[in-house]
Amino acid sequence: DGGITQSPKYLFRKEGQNVTLSCEQNLNHDAMYWYRQDPGQGLRLIYYSQIVNDFQKGDIAEGYSVSREKKESFPLTVTSAQKNPTAFYLCASSPGTASNQPQHFGDGTRLSIL
Amino acid sequence: GENVEQHPSTLSVQEGDSAVIKCTYSDSASNYFPWYKQELGKRPQLIIDIRSNVGEKKDQRIAVTLNKTAKHFSLHITETQPEDSAVYFCAAPSGNRLAFGKGNQVVVIP
Repeated sequence: DGGITQSPKYLFRKEGQNVTLSCEQNLNHDAMYWYRQDPGQGLRLIYYSQIVNDFQKGDIAEGYSVSREKKESFPLTVTSAQKNPTAFYLCASSPGTASNQPQHFGDGTRLSIL
Repeated sequence: GENVEQHPSTLSVQEGDSAVIKCTYSDSASNYFPWYKQELGKRPQLIIDIRSNVGEKKDQRIAVTLNKTAKHFSLHITETQPEDSAVYFCAAPSGNRLAFGKGNQVVVIP
């Protein structure tokens, strides 16, 4: 879906470094989500936000942080506390805050350790 | 929370044959069931979804059937083509979010 932009496409992290992944949407969606994808593990929810200035932890929030200062933006920071950050990160959004809404995904960011 | 499981994990079919993937869920109150297709290295894309007030929905070669009593829903792909090769994820509501299954790898053999 062209309305969700993730950047960069590839990112490399050094030991002890924090890195931030960008996610922007122009769909005027209320809810935004961050998922981590490892081979054979499916989609695991890191954090989600249903409204500006509010967000909730997902299933694997440790070592990550987020902010939602604007409706269209939901950046994810991978901190140095995340010891195994190598993965494919997907951002998604949905029109409303109810769980019975379709989610639209960005193209993802692939993070690797140097 | 919701527990979503997909079977089989890998499915190989001859081009032109049909493929069926089954997804089970645990919460009888769930009312929305999407299927996503993810090609290698790309984003998941919604291909079809169904709500609990209907039993079947079709879109060209793709259909989804829902059995609320047994708490499972299935993705049916007819006349499979090589471009159908991908990983397919199902999901169901879990609180105020979606819970995804681990995915089914479908391989269409030319």
